[in-house]
Amino acid sequence: EPEVTQTPSHQVTQMGQEVILRCVPISNHLYFYWYRQILGQKVEFLVSFYNNEISEKSEIFDDQFSVERPDGSNFTLKIRSTKLEDSAMYFCASRADTGNTEAFFGQGTRLTVV
Amino acid sequence: QKEVEQDPGPLSVPEGAIVSLNCTYSNSAFQYFMWYRQYSRKGPELLMYTYSSGNKEDGRFTAQVDKSSKYISLFIRDSQPSDSATYLCAVPSNDYKLSFGAGTTVTVRA
Repeated sequence: EPEVTQTPSHQVTQMGQEVILRCVPISNHLYFYWYRQILGQKVEFLVSFYNNEISEKSEIFDDQFSVERPDGSNFTLKIRSTKLEDSAMYFCASRADTGNTEAFFGQGTRLTVV
Repeated sequence: QKEVEQDPGPLSVPEGAIVSLNCTYSNSAFQYFMWYRQYSRKGPELLMYTYSSGNKEDGRFTAQVDKSSKYISLFIRDSQPSDSATYLCAVPSNDYKLSFGAGTTVTVRA
């Protein structure tokens, strides 16, 4: 069964460093998303991406964050100058097309900023 | 006002019991209502969704929407230990951006 894969499963980084979280969406999907879940809190929308551009972003997704689909298969989230409060699970999701409501989530990357 | 509100529980029930989970939402324009299940250290997976008001049944799971009161429910009949997970209600808005509830952690005791 096709699935969204995310790497790494766990990333530890020092405060101020840049991290890149990687996702391989399901191959025929067109819509891509990043969500995050701080420990003990709800899953929060960060950004949606379609047709090689951001279609919507939340207030969390400030200039510290960027997304890219560099090669037609990977979908990355870059966090520049990480802060302690960026520690969270980051989930990538993809969706097939306009008429399809189901977004498939990856297993997540646990980011720990120390 | 939060788009979706959900009692985080936790909820502990004996095997075979009916589990009842609820959420409220704020925007009357929402049309799709979803329930995701999340096992520990895993990503959310779609359990079922309903469109507009009414009931939808899938095996032991029933989802209900009452748009007049902006209330959505999930019932799990004959609950099993394997149903132990966190259940998240969610509503999609523009571009199917999902707004999640806080999630209710359910433990089914054998």
